[in-house]
Amino acid sequence: EAQVTQNPRYLITVTGKKLTVTCSQNMNHEYMSWYRQDPGLGLRQIYYSMNVEVTDKGDVPEGYKVSRKEKRNFPLILESPSPNQTSLYFCASSFGGPGDTQYFGPGTRLTVL
Amino acid sequence: GQQLNQSPQSMFIQEGEDVSMNCTSSSIFNTWLWYKQDPGEGPVLLIALYKAGELTSNGRLTAQFGITRKDSFLNISASIPSDVGIYFCAGQRAGGGADGLTFGKGTHLIIQP
Repeated sequence: EAQVTQNPRYLITVTGKKLTVTCSQNMNHEYMSWYRQDPGLGLRQIYYSMNVEVTDKGDVPEGYKVSRKEKRNFPLILESPSPNQTSLYFCASSFGGPGDTQYFGPGTRLTVL
Repeated sequence: GQQLNQSPQSMFIQEGEDVSMNCTSSSIFNTWLWYKQDPGEGPVLLIALYKAGELTSNGRLTAQFGITRKDSFLNISASIPSDVGIYFCAGQRAGGGADGLTFGKGTHLIIQP
């Protein structure tokens, strides 16, 4: 089954404790992206990647890192999480770019205390 | 970051009514996309628009890419209960390269039977 998977689905952590949210797709997509969704603000793009070893900042990259060492995986790293990073995070992928049909993962709800 | 102005913020309608929502921007976009998000799920693409003036339908949904390339609208005809959800517009900025995607803040659609 074609899908985008994220782990964990729910995470409660404390300020400053490094964490990684994994994202994996099995559709051989070149484009992958991370978004955060906050009430009243909609979806905002954090980082995106057009291909292996190619990543670019989205609209709200501060406090986040990503890597794209393999085509299928695009982990989101929070080196020192802060409470303002409490949010719902979505990973997405598409074949050719952001204008193509993006398939979204199920979301990761992160709470930073 | 770039903002898309999506309106209305929410709509309370009766089943069977038609729905109209739109997005505007001060910048030119190459691509306009409309997504729907159900509770607890990631967004799902409804319609993609790639040319100024383009009018595209998907069942009871119709969307148009504005002539100025700075706006788009989505219409839903004869609404049914399963249309309930949050609708997002998204645009890929003009300017070439691998620009990311900017989302509107969403329109909450609530249908009263």
